[in-house]
Amino acid sequence: NAGVTQTPKFQVLKTGQSMTLQCAQDMNHNSMYWYRQDPGMGLRLIYYSASEGTTDKGEVPNGYNVSRLNKREFSLRLESAAPSQTSVYFCARGQGVTGELFFGEGSRLTVL
Amino acid sequence: QQPVQSPQAVILREGEDAVINCSSSKALYSVHWYRQKHGEAPIFLMILLKGGEQKGHDKISASFNEKKQQSSLYLTASQLSYSGTYFCGTTLLFSSGSARQLTFGSGTQLTVLP
Repeated sequence: NAGVTQTPKFQVLKTGQSMTLQCAQDMNHNSMYWYRQDPGMGLRLIYYSASEGTTDKGEVPNGYNVSRLNKREFSLRLESAAPSQTSVYFCARGQGVTGELFFGEGSRLTVL
Repeated sequence: QQPVQSPQAVILREGEDAVINCSSSKALYSVHWYRQKHGEAPIFLMILLKGGEQKGHDKISASFNEKKQQSSLYLTASQLSYSGTYFCGTTLLFSSGSARQLTFGSGTQLTVLP
């Protein structure tokens, strides 16, 4: 989706491997989010960032780290991947804390 | 704190109406509604920011009952294109007056048949 670019779109990892999901927005929005989506579980918030240089934990932060080095980019890192982290990951940007969210196309991660 | 959505799934014929409910055990600052087609990203439908506020877009509208801490999404004279999974998202109201992170319900799968 134009506006939020996620890379990679697909990734297969082995248990214990690490990787970083990248997200970049083309607007100047302060808020950025990482969600994971599992069948029947809806969207669960992993981490969010209300502004450049700040991050906060969401509902399911364990096993993840994030980095918001500048306003445009918000990355999600898995230090030691586990099969339970197999999911579709969505990055989103938003205007302010309560503004509408605009989602990227998603990154499908499989951990074997 | 995830909001609770009901029903989990709805099947209706083209032209019929549907209501999807979203409730929270905590005081809400805002309610968002999104629709997601299979294999795609969620798409924003509307935000309700004030208690009692109602919004509409074409034949899709929503209400926000601040007192009951719930919102409802109304789909009138449904079209085939309305099929998808609908999510409500909520931000909580804190005593400081500030709003916080947006969390989503588990979704309602809507299927519109010809």
